[in-house]
Amino acid sequence: DQQVKQNSPSLSVQEGRISILNCDYTNSMFDYFLWYKKYPAEGPTFLISISSIKDKNEDGRFTVFLNKSAKHLSLHIVPSQPGDSAVYFCAASRQTSGSRLTFGEGTQLTVNP
Amino acid sequence: NAGVMQNPRHLVRRRGQEARLRCSPMKGHSHVYWYRQLPEEGLKFMVYLQKENIIDESGMPKERFSAEFPKEGPSILRIQQVVRGDSAAYFCASSPRLAGLYNEQFFGPGTRLTVL
Repeated sequence: DQQVKQNSPSLSVQEGRISILNCDYTNSMFDYFLWYKKYPAEGPTFLISISSIKDKNEDGRFTVFLNKSAKHLSLHIVPSQPGDSAVYFCAASRQTSGSRLTFGEGTQLTVNP
Repeated sequence: NAGVMQNPRHLVRRRGQEARLRCSPMKGHSHVYWYRQLPEEGLKFMVYLQKENIIDESGMPKERFSAEFPKEGPSILRIQQVVRGDSAAYFCASSPRLAGLYNEQFFGPGTRLTVL
């Protein structure tokens, strides 16, 4: 039962353009969402998060949007840079169930110079 | 402030041997989580520990796997009698407090276990 899904295994964009990574979830009890970035042979690095009481959170070039009615969130990166090329994981958690994170399968982003 | 440390980074075992993976959380963090990533998949939760306590082990296989986080020293994930299907990257994460609005978990570099 995949409760968090990232339907695009890969995404390729041109440097300077916007990258949009999507994530869907099925468990309506999730109330906190995170995006992690992962390079090969390294651990995931926290990027940005959003609580279910908000619909948008912005940090520099990164913005996360949450649509609770659609159970959908997205990560926008603008402008995209070649150094952004990595695998991006969406994760979700429930405050009341402790701290376990449920991850999507990841999306490989490639930013071409 | 050093990040989450894991060792070894790479571990090779033959079928039937034991694997011990170690994790030292970030300074000041008392909550440790273990995740496993199989090839071409996302990370899957295994176990959540606080000092001397297992809080949630619902993601850990019932047999051959165990975890501990003693009062002193690193957290240990132990896999007995390894099989080829245990080959994966095992990641440890830590956080400073229980789940709240700001539940960032900080990950270590992982241990890549290969079972021959």
